[in-house]
Amino acid sequence: KAGVTQTPRYLIKTRGQQVTLSCSPISGHRSVSWYQQTPGQGLQFLFEYFSETQRNKGNFPGRFSGRQFSNSRSEMNVSTLELGDSALYLCASSVAPGLRNTEAFFGQGTRLTVV
Amino acid sequence: EDKVVQSPLSLVVHEGDTVTLNCSYEVTNFRSLLWYKQEKKAPTFLFMLTSSGIEKKSGRLSSILDKKELFSILNITATQTGDSAVYLCAVFNAGNNRKLIWGLGTSLGVNP
Repeated sequence: KAGVTQTPRYLIKTRGQQVTLSCSPISGHRSVSWYQQTPGQGLQFLFEYFSETQRNKGNFPGRFSGRQFSNSRSEMNVSTLELGDSALYLCASSVAPGLRNTEAFFGQGTRLTVV
Repeated sequence: EDKVVQSPLSLVVHEGDTVTLNCSYEVTNFRSLLWYKQEKKAPTFLFMLTSSGIEKKSGRLSSILDKKELFSILNITATQTGDSAVYLCAVFNAGNNRKLIWGLGTSLGVNP
């Protein structure tokens, strides 16, 4: 079956712009989590969605937001981009929220560069 | 504050060597510890450990958890160039703010 699909794969934006990233989970998976990965900070949790509801949120400013649709696809949005937002954004899907002893499957990520 | 620390941060070995990667943690409401391999972008799942002393094995890779000393090791025997990757360790905090806490990873390079 198809894996987790993230689009776009690469993105270049300028400071002050906003960006929307998309994640389609594995069919049948209802939980989607978003992570920001940078060399110095590693994987940082952004938020988790299940059944169109945000279940959990990391320590990121309000410029970072997300949502989940009825088909479990999720989007995350970053407004007023800053240079420090340059990172690899990874999406992970799992059957149920909080893992519950099932592993999360990751997409290939979106490489965002802010110039 | 919850934290997961991996060591070493990076290492380079020759094909055929055996390597041991370490992951120590301080996480409240521990539920499980997971190992992932990240080659280019998408981390791929290796192991999930929930009980102390029970080794998980998959081919040349194995892992074990010590919940008393709060650490896990990932062993790779007879390394191959295809083992070159970043190995990530994550611990699941099952408290009110349920989430995975990630380490920074160990970058492994295997030279022919």
